[in-house]
Amino acid sequence: NAGVMQNPRHLVRRRGQEARLRCSPMKGHSHVYWYRQLPEEGLKFMVYLQKENIIDESGMPKERFSAEFPKEGPSILRIQQVVRGDSAAYFCASSPLDRGERNEQFFGPGTRLTVL
Amino acid sequence: AQTVTQSQPEMSVQEAETVTLSCTYDTSESNYYLFWYKQPPSRQMILVIRQEAYKQQNATENRFSVNFQKAAKSFSLKISDSQLGDTAMYFCAFMKHANFGNEKLTFGTGTRLTIIP
Repeated sequence: NAGVMQNPRHLVRRRGQEARLRCSPMKGHSHVYWYRQLPEEGLKFMVYLQKENIIDESGMPKERFSAEFPKEGPSILRIQQVVRGDSAAYFCASSPLDRGERNEQFFGPGTRLTVL
Repeated sequence: AQTVTQSQPEMSVQEAETVTLSCTYDTSESNYYLFWYKQPPSRQMILVIRQEAYKQQNATENRFSVNFQKAAKSFSLKISDSQLGDTAMYFCAFMKHANFGNEKLTFGTGTRLTIIP
């Protein structure tokens, strides 16, 4: 059973370019979360999605950032017109539909974004 | 809003010794979950242990155990017989109970633990 997959693992962009980060949840998981980790800091929640729905985007910057989780395919975190302050590790996590006791979030390996 | 505080940025301990990492949190919720995650140099986030707030018994997972003090809003992690592979960043995290769907995790700033051979 493959874990949460993220690609690319490393992404380099120049200021003003667009960054697209992809996340494939674990099989059978329909909840996806995106977190950002700035250097030497903890993870900060960005957005929580279910298939075709954004449930909670309270951690998303108001501009330049968007996320989707289509009916088919991976979840995408999109950053337009990147700036140096966007350089960070972006983690995706997934959890199953049934809330129950096992509400653990399983994390992917992260995408390290570097903005030059 | 919930906050999680880890007051020990760095710790080190000799191999085979016991070490305790501290975590406090602030919430007005009565039902919630607490977690400790490990992040080794590979940066992969690995769940170490979890605690349901409604359970009085402290969770244990092999060499890892917690001291959960609900009234004090304290959730410390004890690692017994520490091993070199325990060297990592450790993050304490909070999740409030959700009646529908799931909830986000709120993380502390982490404690960098080094096990010395």
